[in-house]
Amino acid sequence: DAGVTQSPTHLIKTRGQQVTLRCSPKSGHDTVSWYQQALGQGPQFIFQYYEEEERQRGNFPDRFSGHQFPNYSSELNVNALLLGDSALYLCASSLRWTGNTEAFFGQGTRLTVV
Amino acid sequence: GDSVTQMEGPVTLSEEAFLTINCTYTATGYPSLFWYVQYPGEGLQLLLKATKADDKGSNKGFEATYRKETTSFHLEKGSVQVSDSAVYFCALRDSSASKIIFGSGTRLSIRP
Repeated sequence: DAGVTQSPTHLIKTRGQQVTLRCSPKSGHDTVSWYQQALGQGPQFIFQYYEEEERQRGNFPDRFSGHQFPNYSSELNVNALLLGDSALYLCASSLRWTGNTEAFFGQGTRLTVV
Repeated sequence: GDSVTQMEGPVTLSEEAFLTINCTYTATGYPSLFWYVQYPGEGLQLLLKATKADDKGSNKGFEATYRKETTSFHLEKGSVQVSDSAVYFCALRDSSASKIIFGSGTRLSIRP
C-alpha cells in the first residue's frame, strides 16, 4: 500500500502565476482534505472533497479551488499566487462515513512563491 | 470556534528525561483528540488518539489522556530518546468528523 502520495514534492512559482498540486489517496479511502502549513505553524484546513464535491471549506479565499476525480484523487489549484502562499501543502485521505476514521497524510508539496 | 492551544517550544531535553507537552482545547460537542508527529522534511504521522472522555491513547511509549473536565490532552513519555526529536502537534477533529484543527506545534530536541 503506497499510502497518500502527493506531487510534486517541491515547486517554485512566480507571484501572479497559477499552480496545481496533486494527491492520490490511500487505497480504499474516498475523502480527500487539503491543508496549508506555513513555516513554524500548524496545518490549516483548506477544504475537503467527497463524492467529487467540496463538502467543507476553511477560511481561504476563492483563489484556492479544488477538484476530485472519480478515482478519488484530487487536485488543489491556487490562482494569482502571492508571496504569502509559500507553504507546505498537505493532503489527507480518510473514509468519510466510517465512524472514528483516521486521516492519513502525505509527505506534502513545498511551494515557494518568489 | 474550536481551537487547540499547546505548549510553545522549543523544548530541549536530555536522553532518558521525562517529557510533558501541554495541550488544551476549546470545542463544542465531543471532539476526538490526536497527537501528530512531524519529522524533519516529512508529512504528519498520527502518534496517538482518544475519542471520548477518560480514554488514554498510547503508542511508542507516548501517552495522553482525554480530560474533559480540564479540556486537556497532555502528551507524556517516561524516557525520551534522540529519535523522538521532531515537531509534535496536538489536534482535534470536530464533531462533524471532517476537518482537523491543529495547534501551532512544539519542537522537541533530545540531546544524547
